[in-house]
This record gives sequence, structure tokens and C-alpha cells, in this order.
Amino acid sequence: SQQGEEDPQALSIQEGENATMNCSYKTSINNLQWYRQNSGRGLVHLILIRSNEREKHSGRLRVTLDTSKKSSSLLITASRAADTASYFCFIQAGETSGSRLTFGEGTQLTVNP
Amino acid sequence: KAGVTQTPRYLIKTRGQQVTLSCSPISGHRSVSWYQQTPGQGLQFLFEYFSETQRNKGNFPGRFSGRQFSNSRSEMNVSTLELGDSALYLCASSLVGTKETQYFGPGTRLLVL
Repeated sequence: SQQGEEDPQALSIQEGENATMNCSYKTSINNLQWYRQNSGRGLVHLILIRSNEREKHSGRLRVTLDTSKKSSSLLITASRAADTASYFCFIQAGETSGSRLTFGEGTQLTVNP
Repeated sequence: KAGVTQTPRYLIKTRGQQVTLSCSPISGHRSVSWYQQTPGQGLQFLFEYFSETQRNKGNFPGRFSGRQFSNSRSEMNVSTLELGDSALYLCASSLVGTKETQYFGPGTRLLVL
């Protein structure tokens, strides 16, 4: 499978600081998606970046994709306590039929007030 | 539009029993995917259904099965429950498949005793 692997596994920062988490994968992808999960609830979609894109922004979020290094990073600027959550990257590779779809293990972000 | 709904939200079963979980996707979405989340294994893809057909399948034993109805509602069934099946089961819907944004339900938390 083309499992994404996030790092770090856990990150603790102060409110107002920036948080960066990374996702690495092993094969060619169609797109990469970042999701957030609050305390064992459902996942919320943050950003989708396609394989031919290098950077996308959404509010305080910035995602980069380096297909040559097979890695992506999610930057949260000016973090808030409400950003405390687990963040997952989702790798979508291959064609619709028979593709393997995997999430990484996630990065647990704690933003201290 | 109403979001993805999952029923029941919580479930307690004993080993050897079977269980059926239900997922109602966002209106108009034709793709429904199922994921299992456990502390040890993270988020793992179970299967994806599109227009009543299973389109993708993860690496789970045959005890895990699913189906999709003509109104796109989906059910997953786990037979002969094992202790290790205790998990949060998440359902996600999307317009055309996992190449696009997935919208997750709140999950069904299953405890097997």
C-alpha cells in the first residue's frame, strides 16, 4: 500500500506559534488530502492538493507538495487552542478501480493557551 | 445539506456476535467509504462502494462485508466479532469517489467484550 507517514507523531506548541507537520509516501499519487480529527470524532477535510500542484493555501493553512521527494507538509500559522487535534494525510494513488487508499498514523497537535 | 450520518453511534457486542452499521451519505453523493480506526493500527481503509458496487477493498478478512443500496445508503457487517474489532468505524461520502474530498460521519464506536 502507499501508506502516508506523518511526522512528528506529536507536537506541542504555544498559542500564536506556527505548527508544521509532514507526510511522506512511497509511490506516485493522484492527490494528497489533509484532514483534522478532534478527539475521536469524524474527520474534517482541510485541503486537497493534486499531484501537479506545489502549494495551496486556505486561511491559516498552507500545504506544499514535493512529488520528487514524495512528501507534503501542512503549516498552520498563528495557531489557536482550537487547532488542538490529530492531523492526517490521505494518499490517493492509482486509478479509481483497484487503487489503494490509506491514511497515515497522524500527528497529534496540542496548542497550549 | 445534511451531513453524513451514522447509526448507531455506540454499540456493545460480545465475541462471536455479528453487527451491522449504517451510513447515510450526503444527498447526491454516490461514493461511500468505510474506515476502521484503532489506537494501535491508526486509520485503515475497509472498502468503497460506488453506485451499489464495491470499487475498492482494503486488507481485511472476509468477516467484514458491506453493501450499498440504490439510494446510496451503505451498511457494513462484521460477523463473528473478535475483541480486536473494537474500534471507531468511520464512514465517508463523496460525489464521485476518494479522488475528491471525503466528508466523514461522526463514527460508530464498537466495543466487543
